[in-house]
Amino acid sequence: NAGVMQNPRHLVRRRGQEARLRCSPMKGHSHVYWYRQLPEEGLKFMVYLQKENIIDESGMPKERFSAEFPKEGPSILRIQQVVRGDSAAYFCASSKSGVGTDTQYFGPGTRLTVL
Amino acid sequence: GENVGLHLPTLSVQEGDNSIINCAYSNSASDYFIWYKQESGKGPQFIIDIRSNMDKRQGQRVTVLLNKTVKHLSLQIAATQPGDSAVYFCAETFSGNTPLVFGKGTRLSVIA
Repeated sequence: NAGVMQNPRHLVRRRGQEARLRCSPMKGHSHVYWYRQLPEEGLKFMVYLQKENIIDESGMPKERFSAEFPKEGPSILRIQQVVRGDSAAYFCASSKSGVGTDTQYFGPGTRLTVL
Repeated sequence: GENVGLHLPTLSVQEGDNSIINCAYSNSASDYFIWYKQESGKGPQFIIDIRSNMDKRQGQRVTVLLNKTVKHLSLQIAATQPGDSAVYFCAETFSGNTPLVFGKGTRLSVIA
């Protein structure tokens, strides 16, 4: 069974460009979560999506960040007009159901560097 | 080796010794807790979980203890091995589609 897949693994962008991060959940999982991790810190929740629906986006910055999980294809985290402060590791996790007691399995992450 | 809370983020132990990593969680309503292991350059890896109706759960070489009275969670690793070197995070959540809240993490360094 393939685990959670993320690509690209490393992404370099200049200030003002757009970053697109992709996440394919584990087979059979329809719930996707995005987290951001700064160096030497824990993961911070950003957004929780189910197919075609955003369930909880309480951790998403109000501007420049958006996420989607279409009926077909991977979940996308999009960051417009990136700034240096967006440099971080972005992790995606998936679970079979969305209740709080269902284990979330993480992908390898995308490390975004903004020059 | 043992650390107390999240104020000592680094724990060094001799290979073969037992390790105890502690976590003080924040929300008294949290009812599901997970320990993750994160190796350098990788995503968090699930280790073990525990629900609030339990106070102890054992896995292979790992044991999680939960003390709801003082909102404290610990991870015990028996016979620590070099491959256990990583950062360990506790995470908490409350049932019902709520996001995981991660602690700051503890770096475990195993001395051969």
